[in-house]
Amino acid sequence: SQKIEQNSEALNIQEGKTATLTCNYTNYSPAYLQWYRQDPGRGPVFLLLIRENEKEKRKERLKVTFDTTLKQSLFHITASQPADSATYLCALAINNNDMRFGAGTRLTVKP
Amino acid sequence: AAGVIQSPRHLIKEKRETATLKCYPIPRHDTVYWYQQGPGQDPQFLISFYEKMQSDKGSIPDRFSAQQFSDYHSELNMSSLELGDSALYFCASALNTEAFFGQGTRLTVV
Repeated sequence: SQKIEQNSEALNIQEGKTATLTCNYTNYSPAYLQWYRQDPGRGPVFLLLIRENEKEKRKERLKVTFDTTLKQSLFHITASQPADSATYLCALAINNNDMRFGAGTRLTVKP
Repeated sequence: AAGVIQSPRHLIKEKRETATLKCYPIPRHDTVYWYQQGPGQDPQFLISFYEKMQSDKGSIPDRFSAQQFSDYHSELNMSSLELGDSALYFCASALNTEAFFGQGTRLTVV
């Protein structure tokens, strides 16, 4: 069956450290993968997109990698801040009209 | 810049009633998605439209239906409401890839 799994429900780290979140998928062949941030009671907000032919993408303190052989994406937040505390969702796009989310990882950055 | 507008923001309905949720996508976006998110759950894909035509269907109950109108706004109709339908319903619009989500409609079925 098709699955999208994010490494853990919750991740707690100390301010200034790097947070690494994992997204694994099975039985999908996504054209691209996206990461979203969601704060409680709000809609997900787009952060980064990485295509199947890209290995790595960066945006400010964010870095995403995509390994289509391992069927895995890693999402890194460097120099983490308490304001980075949120739930982070990975979403697979099979095509433009088919986007599926993982369960999300709730990140807490402690001062 | 204009964002995705959803209405109403909150809705309380009784069991077996009907609810209609509305979504106004960002102008010129050609794709609309509907998601249902229960407490502590990931967004579950319900249905999507591309250029006003239904393009994909997820885990949407037969009691639910949706359509996209000529002005690109979309409506999610939910009939014979059940307690388990209580959730946040998000609409998102996209042009090519990045999806922009609305604030959601919180539906409470009592």
